[in-house]
Formats: sequence, structure tokens, C-alpha cells
Amino acid sequence: DGGITQSPKYLFRKEGQNVTLSCEQNLNHDAMYWYRQDPGQGLRLIYYSQIVNDFQKGDIAEGYSVSREKKESFPLTVTSAQKNPTAFYLCASRSPPGVNTEAFFGQGTRLTVV
Amino acid sequence: KNQVEQSPQSLIILEGKNCTLQCNYTVSPFSNLRWYKQDTGRGPVSLTIMTFSENTKSNGRYTATLDADTKQSSLHITASQLSDSASYICVVSDYAGNMLTFGGGTRLMVKP
Repeated sequence: DGGITQSPKYLFRKEGQNVTLSCEQNLNHDAMYWYRQDPGQGLRLIYYSQIVNDFQKGDIAEGYSVSREKKESFPLTVTSAQKNPTAFYLCASRSPPGVNTEAFFGQGTRLTVV
Repeated sequence: KNQVEQSPQSLIILEGKNCTLQCNYTVSPFSNLRWYKQDTGRGPVSLTIMTFSENTKSNGRYTATLDADTKQSSLHITASQLSDSASYICVVSDYAGNMLTFGGGTRLMVKP
């Protein structure tokens, strides 16, 4: 089945540790995105990538890093510099540009700092 | 700056009632507008897509409208069910399709 897969679904991290969230897609999409969602809040853009080996900061990139070495993969690292990392993280890929372009989302990773 | 504003932020209705959610946008040039449904703890899923030339589109009990002149869209839910309880997110794509701008969402709760 084609789709976008995030793992793990739940993740616990101790303060001061870096942690990497996985995002894989087999939809052959060039563009991929990472969003953060806090309880009762909307989606905020962390990083996005329009093509392999290229990525851009979103609105809240501080304390996060990404890589895009393969088209299928766009991992997000939450570093110890992120002051309030507990949140729900969503990865998305977007179909090619055009009037019917659509974002497809993974099921999310809930990160909790303990 | 491209923006998408949704109202209300939250809404509580009784099962069986209708409701309408609003979305205003300033994205230009415009490509399409999608309404997504996000169940708690899940990723959003597309409900409808509206392109520039479309005014109304239905998907079962969901009906979306678009007024490209005033840059407004609405999502009307008919005969609400408990399973309609979710967040509804309006997402607008620019003409090149390179950027998606998200609204803050409307959290709908349907009570028995």
C-alpha cells in the first residue's frame, strides 16, 4: 500500500537527550514536511524539503534538525536545544504541484520528555 | 504573508444537528483549498478539494463551498454524528503548489 509511515507512535525522552523521529514515504513525492501540534492548537511548520538534499526552515525550526539524503526519507531530530519538545509531530508529503496537489499525512509521533 | 483563518475555534453541537465551519484566506495566487478531518491522535485526512472554478462540492454529509472573490470557504456538516467529533483544518495551496498554508483548525464536538 502506498503511504507515509511515521515511527515510533509514542516516544519518551529524558531531558538533555537528542531523539530522532522517522518518516518514510513510498508515494514518490518530492516535497516533505514536518509539523508540530500542541494540545488544542493548529499545525506549525518546523522544516520542509522540496527535493532530495535540500531543506528549508519553517516557522519554528529552532532546536530541530533534518536531513533529506533519500527521496523516501525525511527524519527529524529533536535536539536538547529544543526547550519544550513535548508535542505531537506530524510528517507529510505533497503530491506534485498543480491544481489538485494534496498533502498526505502520517499517523504522527507523540513525543514526551520525562 | 499568506494566511488562513478559521472560525470558530471550537464548537459543540448535539447529534443530528447541522453546523457550518468557516475559512478565510489571503493566499495568492490561489491553486486549491482542501478541508481535512483530523481525529484525535491521528494524521489529517482530506475530505474535499475546491479549485478556483468550483463553488460547491459534496462528500456525503459534508458540503464545501468556495467564494474565490471574497476568498472564503465553508464546510457544512449535515445531520451530525458522534464520529464527526474531530478537528477540521482548512489548507490552501498557492498556484505553483509549492507551499501549503494551514488554518488553525476548528475543534468540533458532537454530543449525544
